[in-house]
Amino acid sequence: DIQMTQSPSSLSASVGDRVTITCRASQSISTYLNWYQQKPGKAPKLLIYVASSLQSGVPSRFSGSGSGTDFTLTISSLQPEDFATYHCQQTYSTPLTFGGGTKVETK
Amino acid sequence: EVQLVESGGGLVEPGGSLRLSCAASGLTFSNYWMHWVRQAPGKGLVWVSRISPDGSITNYADSVKGRFTISRDSAKNTLYLQMNSLGAEDSAVYYCSARTSRTSPDYWGQGTLVTVSS
Repeated sequence: DIQMTQSPSSLSASVGDRVTITCRASQSISTYLNWYQQKPGKAPKLLIYVASSLQSGVPSRFSGSGSGTDFTLTISSLQPEDFATYHCQQTYSTPLTFGGGTKVETK
Repeated sequence: EVQLVESGGGLVEPGGSLRLSCAASGLTFSNYWMHWVRQAPGKGLVWVSRISPDGSITNYADSVKGRFTISRDSAKNTLYLQMNSLGAEDSAVYYCSARTSRTSPDYWGQGTLVTVSS
C-alpha cells in the first residue's frame, strides 16, 4: 500500500498569510494526487486534481504542485473561509490512500 | 447539477449488518467509477471500496475485505455497500464519490452516519 504523509498536521495562520501544506508518498505516484478541503460536518470538497489542476469554481489563490513523491498545496493569501482541514489522496493505485489531514486554524 | 445522496445509515449492534445506498443524479451513472470513503468521528478520511462503471471490477480496503460488498444498479442509478459483521471500528460517516477516471475531478455525497454499538 502507498502511504501518504501530510505535514504539518496543524498550523496557525492569519488572514492574508501564504500557507503551504506538503504531502509525501511512500513511492512514486506520478501526478495522481488530489487535494480536498473539509469543513466540520461537511463532505470533502475537491480543490486540486492530478497534482496541479484547479477544480472548476475553486479560487485561484489555491494551487498545487509536485510529481513523483512530493507534493504541495499552496494558499497564496489565506481568507476567512479557508480555515478548514485539508487532505491529500493518491489515485495511483488501490487502496486509494489519504494523508492524515492538515488543520488550518486561526492564529 | 450532479447529486449523490447517501442513505441507510443508523445504529446497529456489533456483529450486525447494514446496507448503504447512494442515489446518483445529474451524471451518466454508467460512465463513473463509484467509491465509498469513510471518516470516523474526529479522524481522517479512509478509502473503503470502489466499483468500475460496468460493475465488473471491485476493490476493497483490507480492513473491510470479506465483510463488505460493493455493488451498483445502473437501472436505478444507485450504488450500494452491504456491510456485514460490523464492529465498533466501522463506526463512521460513509461518503460515496464518483469519478470517470483517476485523472478526473470527482463528486461527493453529504455522507451517512453508521454507529456500531450495543
